Amino acid sequence: AQSVTQLGSHVSVSEGALVLLRCNYSSSVPPYLFWYVQYPNQGLQLLLKYTSAATLVKGINGFEAEFKKSETSFHLTKPSAHMSDAAEYFCAVSVDNAGNNRKLIWGLGTSLAVNP
Amino acid sequence: DTEVTQTPKHLVMGMTNKKSLKCEQHMGHRAMYWYKQKAKKPPELMFVYSYEKLSINESVPSRFSPECPNSSLLNLHLHALQPEDSALYLCASSQDPSGGAGGETQYFGPGTRLLVL
Repeated sequence: AQSVTQLGSHVSVSEGALVLLRCNYSSSVPPYLFWYVQYPNQGLQLLLKYTSAATLVKGINGFEAEFKKSETSFHLTKPSAHMSDAAEYFCAVSVDNAGNNRKLIWGLGTSLAVNP
Repeated sequence: DTEVTQTPKHLVMGMTNKKSLKCEQHMGHRAMYWYKQKAKKPPELMFVYSYEKLSINESVPSRFSPECPNSSLLNLHLHALQPEDSALYLCASSQDPSGGAGGETQYFGPGTRLLVL
């Protein structure tokens, strides 16, 4: 079964420091991969997605992620953390489901705290 | 525009009440989804509508009843809920239920926070 693993349920960084949130996936076929962010008391917002066009994907708010097939990873990075980046981050992979549909398999999420 | 709207934002209901959650998108997306999310957990898929037909029911109790009146609207009817059903209910939509070229990218609404007393 396909799965997504996010290493570290809680990550804490200082403002201005590098943000690195880890995501590893298991998939027998080239995957579609996503990072979503959820700010407190809000819905999920798409940060970026990998759809096999380019291995380095740039997203919103200065985030980017690199797809590494050999490592089955899709880690999310941002060079300089801002206080407003404090949120819950979810990695997800799109998989085939019954009836010619696709569904998302989610990681458990990583809570990012940014310290002043 | 990638906006999905949901109403109400908050809902408090008793275990004997009947209420409905509403979701709307005007992006021409042909797949719509209902998710349930507990605090600090990933969303759990409940239902998927594909071209206005129910295509996935993830073994959701019958006290949750989805409805898709047209391609832009999705409702979730609630009846005789239990306190453990208290959660954030998220609606999402995607362009193409079968995926392809990123067509399965799901866009989420802000959610309805439900409290069952």
